[in-house]
Amino acid sequence: DTGVSQDPRHKITKRGQNVTFRCDPISEHNRLYWYRQTLGQGPEFLTYFQNEAQLEKSRLLSDRFSAERPKGSFSTLEIQRTEQGDSAMYLCASSLQGSVYEQYFGPGTRLTVT
Amino acid sequence: AQSVSQHNHHVILSEAASLELGCNYSYGGTVNLFWYVQYPGQHLQLLLKYFSGDPLVKGIKGFEAEFIKSKFSFNLRKPSVQWSDTAEYFCAVNKGGSYIPTFGRGTSLIVHP
Repeated sequence: DTGVSQDPRHKITKRGQNVTFRCDPISEHNRLYWYRQTLGQGPEFLTYFQNEAQLEKSRLLSDRFSAERPKGSFSTLEIQRTEQGDSAMYLCASSLQGSVYEQYFGPGTRLTVT
Repeated sequence: AQSVSQHNHHVILSEAASLELGCNYSYGGTVNLFWYVQYPGQHLQLLLKYFSGDPLVKGIKGFEAEFIKSKFSFNLRKPSVQWSDTAEYFCAVNKGGSYIPTFGRGTSLIVHP
């Protein structure tokens, strides 16, 4: 399967713990995006990378959230001191520079904070 | 701020019925428009897109959408739905030149066989 992959698919954690999610984009895609999706809502943009540079961050991305893409390939999204309001599906997408508007989504990581 | 409205949150149809899902956006400038679909247990995938040119866009699986600039709308249509069209449908809009789409809240479509 050469699509976008995300790991883990499900994560249950206790409030206050830190969690980290990984996204592997389609190999030739240089742009990578993170979204959050809550029940009954569409995906909400969090941040995006072009190669290893983080070019834009949403106001949704509080200082407890950090994302990296150290070598311009896979990316990680870390949430520190999780809160119950962080429970959501975290989606990753990637796109090719020549067709920057068309994004390919991964299956998502469902986070439950208890 | 730009917003995207999908007025139908839940739609239930019988097979062979016609489908139209509404999508309206608030941004007045140049836009790029998308419909994504999420089948049960699967990830979001692109159904169709509009960048420029013919405002009637044809996508996969017999879907089409029409961009009406004066109405700020991009409604999704299919003349005859199938049980396999049961899914969540999301409209998304990019401001021209932006890489970041704003998504609507989605419409859940259930098609009864």
